[in-house]
Amino acid sequence: GEDVEQSLFLSVREGDSSVINCTYTDSSSTYLYWYKQEPGAGLQLLTYIFSNMDMKQDQRLTVLLNKKDKHLSLRIADTQTGDSAIYFCAESPENRDDKIIFGKGTRLHILP
Amino acid sequence: GAVVSQHPSWVICKSGTSVKIECRSLDFQATTMFWYRQFPKQSLMLMATSNEGSKATYEQGVEKDKFLINHASLTLSTLTVTSAHPEDSSFYICSAPGPPTPPYSNQPQHFGDGTRLSIL
Repeated sequence: GEDVEQSLFLSVREGDSSVINCTYTDSSSTYLYWYKQEPGAGLQLLTYIFSNMDMKQDQRLTVLLNKKDKHLSLRIADTQTGDSAIYFCAESPENRDDKIIFGKGTRLHILP
Repeated sequence: GAVVSQHPSWVICKSGTSVKIECRSLDFQATTMFWYRQFPKQSLMLMATSNEGSKATYEQGVEKDKFLINHASLTLSTLTVTSAHPEDSSFYICSAPGPPTPPYSNQPQHFGDGTRLSIL
């Protein structure tokens, strides 16, 4: 079956690194995504990784993919108050962009 | 980048009213768009796939007559909540697959800012 799991909450001190973890079940997923949702807003595409990659870095964001364990992580370096949001992990099974399976989202709380 | 515009952002109306929500792709064409519903502190639930020029495809458990979808052009899809009741109050979000960004072939979903629907 298709399922995406992620922890629901994460608290991090401002300036520290945040690591949000995700596991997925569909080994045929070719692309894996991270979306950010701020309160009362839609989802913003943060980044995505192709399944033949182990790592992708984009400024403060680093995505790590362990395809063998079906584990995806998002690291946010130097976490700021503006990073406070819900982060959704998502997979597109069988490389179908029209069918994205979302996790339940991880709420990132920034401590002063 | 690809932008999806959704209107209105917030609607408050009386029970029994029908409410129309618009989803537009601003700088690209979308033959399919997607409508989601999100309950507080929960993930997105796919309601239906909107197909340009043909009928929408609804997910299991979603009432077609309650949630009318029309995809009249390559840049516009509308969701009409008919005879809305308090239990229809929710956050509705649309998305559309954006154009590929070479060298990658995928088309990531781009989301509107959502519509908060409150039925009194």
